[in-house]
Amino acid sequence: AQRVTQPEKLLSVFKGAPVELKCNYSYSGSPELFWYVQYSRQRLQLLLRHISRESIKGFTADLNKGETSFHLKKPFAQEEDSAMYYCALSGLRNRDDKIIFGKGTRLHILP
Amino acid sequence: EAQVTQNPRYLITVTGKKLTVTCSQNMNHEYMSWYRQDPGLGLRQIYYSMNVEVTDKGDVPEGYKVSRKEKRNFPLILESPSPNQTSLYFCASRETGFGAGELFFGEGSRLTVL
Repeated sequence: AQRVTQPEKLLSVFKGAPVELKCNYSYSGSPELFWYVQYSRQRLQLLLRHISRESIKGFTADLNKGETSFHLKKPFAQEEDSAMYYCALSGLRNRDDKIIFGKGTRLHILP
Repeated sequence: EAQVTQNPRYLITVTGKKLTVTCSQNMNHEYMSWYRQDPGLGLRQIYYSMNVEVTDKGDVPEGYKVSRKEKRNFPLILESPSPNQTSLYFCASRETGFGAGELFFGEGSRLTVL
């Protein structure tokens, strides 16, 4: 079954500490993985996608096919990072473009 | 400016009174989708559309209808709303095909059914 699992509903981290938001997936084909972020009272917006290999706002994520994971990391948390984060998956090569979201992790940065 | 526009942004209605939430995108995207967002349940897909006149059920389609008569518009219809449809609704669109890229989301429509 195709599935995205974010094991933590809430993650509280002190400002300046490292952040890791976990995402594991199950997919039978070649997946494309994304991280979306939703700041308070705003729309969801793309943070990262694995094929672009970018670092956005200090966040990085590496696709680990062996562990079927796409964890989001940042070395030093900032207060403005407080938001809801969703991991998502899509088929990279087939035309069934159903996008599967995890249930989200709320990141709370403590001062 | 590339955008997905939803209306209304806020709505309070009563049980059984039909309503439509409109969604329009100006990016010529083939794929459009509706999600509802509830605390503790994350984003759940209601319906999606791969192209004009092509729609498919998502994970929670009960109580909803959609139509895709034009590429840019994908309205969500609640024929007889019930209180369990009180939620925050998001419309989204994207390209299709190989490495299709990100989903663009609307600002959300907060619906309360009394």
